[in-house]
Formats: sequence, structure tokens, C-alpha cells
Amino acid sequence: EVHLLESGGGMAQPGGSLRLSCAASGFPFSSYAMSWVRLAPGKGLEWVAGISGTGHNVYYAESVKGRFTLSRDSSKDMLFLQMNNLRVEDTAMYYCAQDAAENIIPGDWFHPWGQGTQVTVSS
Amino acid sequence: DIQMTQSPSSLSASVGDRVTITCRTSQSISSFLNWYQVKPGKAPKLLIYDAARLQSGVPSRFSGAESGTDFSLTISSLQPEDFATYYCQQTDSAPWTFGQGTRVEIK
Repeated sequence: EVHLLESGGGMAQPGGSLRLSCAASGFPFSSYAMSWVRLAPGKGLEWVAGISGTGHNVYYAESVKGRFTLSRDSSKDMLFLQMNNLRVEDTAMYYCAQDAAENIIPGDWFHPWGQGTQVTVSS
Repeated sequence: DIQMTQSPSSLSASVGDRVTITCRTSQSISSFLNWYQVKPGKAPKLLIYDAARLQSGVPSRFSGAESGTDFSLTISSLQPEDFATYYCQQTDSAPWTFGQGTRVEIK
């Protein structure tokens, strides 16, 4: 059974940093792209970033480009999201999700998802 | 970016009701439209992919349809466990975008 477990969330001040992790199990990790999606209070889902199975191709939403860095360690089946220069508007539940294929391509979908880790940015 | 207009933003319904949620895209997206169910404290769940394909393990009371740039999710007979928020998502053109969500509440 595929399982995704996020960790690393917490509280940070504006301008601060956090590093989220996602531990994957139950599937050939390097054969699938992975994404982070967030759900902010009172708002809808927002795709944040995605990375191909090889890790060679990484994509970011404009709202986080230049501040967040997505990476993966296939030797440990782990996904990481380094979040720098955090803003109040980054406050959200962050979910990692398995993409449908090795690359992030049209026709993608997310399944399964983890249960999320909460990030709160406040002074 | 492709804009997703989802409606209604919320609805109240009773167990056994037929419920339909719609999602309109700002441009043609082939059939690359997915539907998810989100409940507080739980992992979001894929219900429908490619507009009308039922994800394995999802009850058959859920169905998806498309007509041009209009997409719909229908729950044929609402069950107590279906009270949740539902989102559409397009994966035709990056960045993948979601609708604003539809909260299904108990009447």
C-alpha cells in the first residue's frame, strides 16, 4: 500500500525558513513525479511545486518561485520542500502527493496524498 | 494560467439527494480534468480523473461528465460520508490549477 507521510511543519516568522519532508513507501519512488499542494484557510487548493521522478525537472508556482526549493532523495524515498523568506500568505496545510507518471505532463493527476503538515507564518 | 470557475461554492443537501457540481475552464483542456474530495484532518482523495474515469475504490455513485469547457461531478445518492469539500483540477496546461471548491453540507 502506498503511504505518504509529511513532517517539518510548524510556526515561523515572516522572512523565516522551514523544511518540509515527505516519506514515501509502497511504490517505486523514482518512477513517479511528486508534487506539493497547499490548502490555506478560507482558500482553495493550490499546486505549489512538482518534481520529476529523476529529479531533473522541477516546476514551481509563481507565488513561490525563487523562495521555495523542491528536491528528492531516491536512496531514501524522501521528498523535501525548502521554504525560505516565508510570508504570512504561505500559511497553509501542505500536502505531498504522488503524480500519475514519471514526469509532470498534461493528463496528470494526484493519487494518493498524505495527510498534510501545517505551516503557520506569523509575527 | 487556465482559470477554473467552480459552482456552487456551497450547497446543502440531504442523504439520498442527487448532487451536481460544475466546473468551467477558461479555455479548452481536452479531458484533463480531475475531481478531489477533501475532509478536515484527512488526506485529499482522488475521485475522478480524465473527466469521467472513476478512480479505483471510489463508489459508483460518483460520476464525471464533460461538455466542451464545462465539467461536472455528480453524486447520484448522497451518503453521510460524502459531506466534504470538492475541488476540480485541470492538468492540461501548467501550472495545474484548481477550482475554488464546493462545500457540501448537511441540510
